[in-house]
Amino acid sequence: QKEVEQNSGPLSVPEGAIASLNCTYSDRGSQSFFWYRQYSGKSPELIMFIYSNGDKEDGRFTAQLNKASQYVSLLIRDSQPSDSATYLCAVNPLDYGQNFVFGPGTRLSVLP
Amino acid sequence: GAVVSQHPSWVICKSGTSVKIECRSLDFQATTMFWYRQFPKQSLMLMATSNEGSKATYEQGVEKDKFLINHASLTLSTLTVTSAHPEDSSFYICSARPARGSDTQYFGPGTRLTVL
Repeated sequence: QKEVEQNSGPLSVPEGAIASLNCTYSDRGSQSFFWYRQYSGKSPELIMFIYSNGDKEDGRFTAQLNKASQYVSLLIRDSQPSDSATYLCAVNPLDYGQNFVFGPGTRLSVLP
Repeated sequence: GAVVSQHPSWVICKSGTSVKIECRSLDFQATTMFWYRQFPKQSLMLMATSNEGSKATYEQGVEKDKFLINHASLTLSTLTVTSAHPEDSSFYICSARPARGSDTQYFGPGTRLTVL
């Protein structure tokens, strides 16, 4: 069974700090990786995706991928209270058709 | 770009009635759409994968006769909850994958269903 694991949290960081969210996946053949943010009562919204090993930066967000370790992370710099949400890691396994495998999400709380 | 809409955004119905939820990709064509359900404080649960012009593929444990999915065009998929019961009350969310380009899924805003 293909699995994606995340620490459920809550992860609490002070405003202005760096929040680090981690995700591991079981399918070594996975090719694409996504981070979504979900506010309470709302649907997920795409933050960023990453395909290659290394870092990918977009504004205050940096995704990091290490396929050898089967690990993907999301760093949020200068965290703001508005970043408080649940962050979902999604993986597109190579042979799972077109479906993503979602992690359970990590709840982030940024304290003013 | 990559906007997905859902209608209605919320619905309240009596037990035993059927409810139809529409999911539209507004600015792109989507060969594949996905339907998810999410209960309070729980993870997203994939219900089914819908491909344009063919029958939906349902996840294990999801009753295909209760949750009817129609993907009639490259921009529209519908989910009908038939003979709804209070235990079907949930947040139903669709997502769409563009026909061309990345394999990203873009989510609609969701439909909150309450069955009395």
